[in-house]
Amino acid sequence: ETGVTQTPRHLVMGMTNKKSLKCEQHLGHNAMYWYKQSAKKPLELMFVYNFKEQTENNSVPSRFSPECPNSSHLFLHLHTLQPEDSALYLCASSQTRLAGGKDTQYFGPGTRLTVL
Amino acid sequence: GDSVTQMEGPVTLSEEAFLTINCTYTATGYPSLFWYVQYPGEGLQLLLKATKADDKGSNKGFEATYRKETTSFHLEKGSVQVSDSAVYFCALRTTGPSGGSNYKLTFGKGTLLTVNP
Repeated sequence: ETGVTQTPRHLVMGMTNKKSLKCEQHLGHNAMYWYKQSAKKPLELMFVYNFKEQTENNSVPSRFSPECPNSSHLFLHLHTLQPEDSALYLCASSQTRLAGGKDTQYFGPGTRLTVL
Repeated sequence: GDSVTQMEGPVTLSEEAFLTINCTYTATGYPSLFWYVQYPGEGLQLLLKATKADDKGSNKGFEATYRKETTSFHLEKGSVQVSDSAVYFCALRTTGPSGGSNYKLTFGKGTLLTVNP
């Protein structure tokens, strides 16, 4: 399998549930990203990982907890979410310029999350 | 800070019509510019890019020229097809003066294009 894959593609959860989103990249990239896409708003960068280390947290609430066990996998753990957290969550990866790449980000298909 | 402004949508065209989606930006440093496309139910796909002034990115009949003097990167296609119906995002990535890489993309809000047969 090639590219960036995300599971599940759709998720419905209650505010008291705990769930996780998974992203896997098969491109050999060193950096991975989580974005949130809400209606009528620009894509919002949430987290950035570079060689498994978190290098960016854009003031994301603690009910979103990322995990990057290796350069190919990225998780977003969700707990006690709010209805306004309903959105499309996109994962991306890139080979950064400092790691010999071109920094172009490649996106997965996203997980459509609905919080009831 | 960095920002990208796209023309408000939605844009509705007939097949074979000419398309222009305007994009302007403000940025520090020396930005690279991108157009991404999002087809219904899918993630973003890189459509084209330009990394320095006067570069022209092109792909699938779409073109955009990096205009530093007007800080613009307008997307054009001479003859659209129904299959081009999607949301189009303009984005920038800045590179610091030292040549180091800033991997953060700043996106516009997106422009929905609908092409009717």
